[in-house]
Amino acid sequence: EDQVTQSPEALRLQEGESSSLNCSYTVSGLRGLFWYRQDPGKGPEFLFTLYSAGEEKEKERLKATLTKKESFLHITAPKPEDSATYLCAVHKAAGNKLTFGGGTRVLVKP
Amino acid sequence: ETGVTQTPRHLVMGMTNKKSLKCEQHLGHNAMYWYKQSAKKPLELMFVYSLEERVENNSVPSRFSPECPNSSHLFLHLHTLQPEDSALYLCASSPILQGDQPQHFGDGTRLSIL
Repeated sequence: EDQVTQSPEALRLQEGESSSLNCSYTVSGLRGLFWYRQDPGKGPEFLFTLYSAGEEKEKERLKATLTKKESFLHITAPKPEDSATYLCAVHKAAGNKLTFGGGTRVLVKP
Repeated sequence: ETGVTQTPRHLVMGMTNKKSLKCEQHLGHNAMYWYKQSAKKPLELMFVYSLEERVENNSVPSRFSPECPNSSHLFLHLHTLQPEDSALYLCASSPILQGDQPQHFGDGTRLSIL
């Protein structure tokens, strides 16, 4: 059965304190791994798509990487506005669905 | 107006009421989705439509009835709901089904069942 597990569930950071979020997955035939950001009362906002092991994507203070079993979202020198829940989802080659992880709630304190 | 728009943003209803959630996308996408997001649970896919045809129903109870009259609009008709149906209902769209492009989400309808 396809599984996506995110850790930690919650992360409290001081402003400027870099850290990494983990997304572990077990799926046959990965077609793409997606990272989303979700603010309270809002829908998920797309951040990155990664397609193959070794791929990296960057956007401002965020960098996503992918291996054959997991993906990391690195937050460098975070600011309070980076506080959100970060969601990981995988799309496998067969089927129409995205399988989501439970998310990591990130709180960046000034 | 751009993106994916959902109405209403909040809905409170009794278990015997009938209501509908609406989703509209202005992205020219051909696939649309309904998700349920409950506290402390991952997003759960409910229904998938491609070019107005339902292609997936993830064992959703019949008290939820989707409708897709055209590729820009998606509805979720609700009747005789249970308290455990209280959740955030999210609509999403993507350019095509089974594509590599990301899904784009609306901001959801927060549903509370009394």
